[in-house]
Amino acid sequence: DQQVKQNSPSLSVQEGRISILNCDYTNSMFDYFLWYKKYPAEGPTFLISISSIKDKNEDGRFTVFLNKSAKHLSLHIVPSQPGDSAVYFCAASRSGNTGKLIFGQGTTLQVKP
Amino acid sequence: KAGVTQTPRYLIKTRGQQVTLSCSPISGHRSVSWYQQTPGQGLQFLFEYFSETQRNKGNFPGRFSGRQFSNSRSEMNVSTLELGDSALYLCASRGAVNTNYEQYFGPGTRLTVT
Repeated sequence: DQQVKQNSPSLSVQEGRISILNCDYTNSMFDYFLWYKKYPAEGPTFLISISSIKDKNEDGRFTVFLNKSAKHLSLHIVPSQPGDSAVYFCAASRSGNTGKLIFGQGTTLQVKP
Repeated sequence: KAGVTQTPRYLIKTRGQQVTLSCSPISGHRSVSWYQQTPGQGLQFLFEYFSETQRNKGNFPGRFSGRQFSNSRSEMNVSTLELGDSALYLCASRGAVNTNYEQYFGPGTRLTVT
């Protein structure tokens, strides 16, 4: 049972444009969501997170939006840079079980110069 | 501040053998979680340790075990290795336990079982 889903395996955007990565979840108990970036042969790198009490969190070029009614979150990267090319994972956790992250399958982002 | 370190980085084992992987968390972090990444199943939670106690366990067979030492370093062990155990094993540490808090990952140990 895939509780966190990233339905787009890959995304290609032009440098300077916006990248939008999407994630859906099914478990309404999730109350904390995170985005990680991963390069080959490296561990995931934390990018940004959002609590369920918010609907938006921004950090530099990265913004995460949360739509609780739709059980959907998205990561916006503006402007996209070639160095952003990587696999992006969304993850979720819930209070009382905060050490356990449930990950989506990942979306490979390619930013073309 | 040094990041999460994992040793060894690469390992080749034979079916039936056992293996021990090590993880040193970020200084001051007392919670360590372990994950397995495979092409078919993605990133899956194995277990979490805090203050030398296992707090949570994922859906893995009993061949997968772990422990944590008083200095917060953690080890995971896989006994009677199977071909399907070939994966990238990642550990992550975090500073707080009872609240939501991001986890910081190490580079992983690539285990190949032949």
